Amino acid sequence: AQKITQTQPGMFVQEKEAVTLDCTYDTSDPSYGLFWYKQPSSGEMIFLIYQGSYDQQNATEGRYSLNFQKARKSANLVISASQLGDSAMYFCAMSAGYSTLTFGKGTMLLVSP
Amino acid sequence: DGGITQSPKYLFRKEGQNVTLSCEQNLNHDAMYWYRQDPGQGLRLIYYSQIVNDFQKGDIAEGYSVSREKKESFPLTVTSAQKNPTAFYLCASSISTSGDYGYTFGSGTRLTVV
Repeated sequence: AQKITQTQPGMFVQEKEAVTLDCTYDTSDPSYGLFWYKQPSSGEMIFLIYQGSYDQQNATEGRYSLNFQKARKSANLVISASQLGDSAMYFCAMSAGYSTLTFGKGTMLLVSP
Repeated sequence: DGGITQSPKYLFRKEGQNVTLSCEQNLNHDAMYWYRQDPGQGLRLIYYSQIVNDFQKGDIAEGYSVSREKKESFPLTVTSAQKNPTAFYLCASSISTSGDYGYTFGSGTRLTVV
């Protein structure tokens, strides 16, 4: 079985600063994918970034990067230069083999001016 | 533009009534999913379907039913057997259930039992 743990229920950051959202995972499958999604107050889930278990380099997408530490089973999301529009709920998720996506409980990020 | 459409956005139901949530996709994805979201609980899988006319129970299938008669459509029925149906429901689709593919989500339906 797969498990995703997000230990930060809420995070605060000032505009233009960087912030790291933590995610640890557990799986016995050697092949897996890690995802981050953003959920604004409107409710839709927006895909941010993906990291495959065999990828050698950390994934980056614009201001988002994924700090992948395989030995520690962590996949932290780093948002650089935070913006007010980054205020939202953030979910880490994992899919291993042919299993469905398993989600963490999420971290609420608030960006202040 | 391709995407997933969920309707309605808000739904009110009286206790004891069945209600059906609609989910339609035009992405030509084979796999479709229904998740339930409660505050502080994250997303929990209700049902998923990998191909037409086939579906599997997720972690919290009790009190729910689905059908997959067309590739594009995966409606969810919340039955009167669901003890606590008030929640936010998200539909998603993916090319397959292989781990390399993320999901595309609809905008959700907020169901309230009155």
